[in-house]
Amino acid sequence: DQQVKQNSPSLSVQEGRISILNCDYTNSMFDYFLWYKKYPAEGPTFLISISSIKDKNEDGRFTVFLNKSAKHLSLHIVPSQPGDSAVYFCAASARSNTGKLIFGQGTTLQVKP
Amino acid sequence: NAGVTQTPKFQVLKTGQSMTLQCAQDMNHEYMSWYRQDPGMGLRLIHYSVGAGITDQGEVPNGYNVSRSTTEDFPLRLLSAAPSQTSVYFCASSDGSGNTIYFGEGSWLTVV
Repeated sequence: DQQVKQNSPSLSVQEGRISILNCDYTNSMFDYFLWYKKYPAEGPTFLISISSIKDKNEDGRFTVFLNKSAKHLSLHIVPSQPGDSAVYFCAASARSNTGKLIFGQGTTLQVKP
Repeated sequence: NAGVTQTPKFQVLKTGQSMTLQCAQDMNHEYMSWYRQDPGMGLRLIHYSVGAGITDQGEVPNGYNVSRSTTEDFPLRLLSAAPSQTSVYFCASSDGSGNTIYFGEGSWLTVV
């Protein structure tokens, strides 16, 4: 049973446009959500997070939106840059287990110049 | 800054052999964990630890053992390697404050 799902394996956007990556979860105990970016042959690197007490968190070009009633979150990248091309993972945890993340399958983003 | 260090980076094992993947962190983090990444599966939690002397199972613990004798180290042991354990393994640590979780660069393991 996949508790965190990223239903789009890949996404291609033009440089300068908006990239929207989506993530759904099923476990209502999750109250902390993170997005990681991963390049080939490297470990995941933290991008942005959001607590369930918020519905939006912004950091520069990156914004994460959380819809708790729909158990859905999304990552917006504006404007997209070729260097953003990578695999993006959504992850969730319950605050009582902050060392324990449940990941989605990942979405490969390609930003075309 | 070293952060989270994993060794070895690459390893080929024969079926039935044993080995230990090493993980060390220099950030004095209480929480450490091991994940494996397989194609199309994302990262799956193998084992985690909330402090020295305390470990627990994650989503896919079978075939793996861990121990946490110090805050800094969290080795992952394969007692009898199987081809199904061919994967990329990532170690991670966090301070448990709800902030970021830091990952190592990964260990590529092939079992033939």
